[in-house]
Amino acid sequence: GAGVSQSPRYKVAKRGQDVALRCDPISGHVSLFWYQQALGQGPEFLTYFQNEAQLDKSGLPSDRFFAERPEGSVSTLKIQRTQQEDSAVYLCASSFPPSGSGNTIYFGEGSWLTVV
Amino acid sequence: AQTVTQSQPEMSVQEAETVTLSCTYDTSESDYYLFWYKQPPSRQMILVIRQEAYKQQNATENRFSVNFQKAAKSFSLKISDSQLGDAAMYFCAYRDNAGNMLTFGGGTRLMVKP
Repeated sequence: GAGVSQSPRYKVAKRGQDVALRCDPISGHVSLFWYQQALGQGPEFLTYFQNEAQLDKSGLPSDRFFAERPEGSVSTLKIQRTQQEDSAVYLCASSFPPSGSGNTIYFGEGSWLTVV
Repeated sequence: AQTVTQSQPEMSVQEAETVTLSCTYDTSESDYYLFWYKQPPSRQMILVIRQEAYKQQNATENRFSVNFQKAAKSFSLKISDSQLGDAAMYFCAYRDNAGNMLTFGGGTRLMVKP
């Protein structure tokens, strides 16, 4: 696609509900990242994929957060038993080369999650 | 761990004037990359400019330029001839040469007055 596409753009979830956020990276991009951005703060790293391999998940805040990219393209971030502190914008980003360079990382417009 | 600090939560500039946004970072690495991203209300992060740490020359992109002081670990963004469309959140970000992730600062909200 022309850019990184995320869906849904907006999601309101009741506390305790499970949610799934989808990211469709730029076609051919090897690297895929998920970030969490709370209101008034900078984005914080959650996890990184190179193709289908999840190489870094050190930023996932709890075991309620799970991410996958089974075919090395589309990725899903799943949050189980959502809590109010999970309310944030979830940004997906992709880049073509693998890690270890200053290549440009392209961001999507994010999925805005509100937990009520 | 690397940290990025933006000490100015908000800045204001008159249209057509120049403004400088500050950023400092902490790292023990010698080879890394620094970025400035713009985030409009749509929330999409747009790359404004980037600097390779091994390059002494400051990066420039049209009206945007940086003042990179490696020894001081400082990376400020200068916006010349400010335009109304420059109003947004600006984030400074760091990425080391071997790392995968960007580390962001807390952001600076830039307002442009007509």
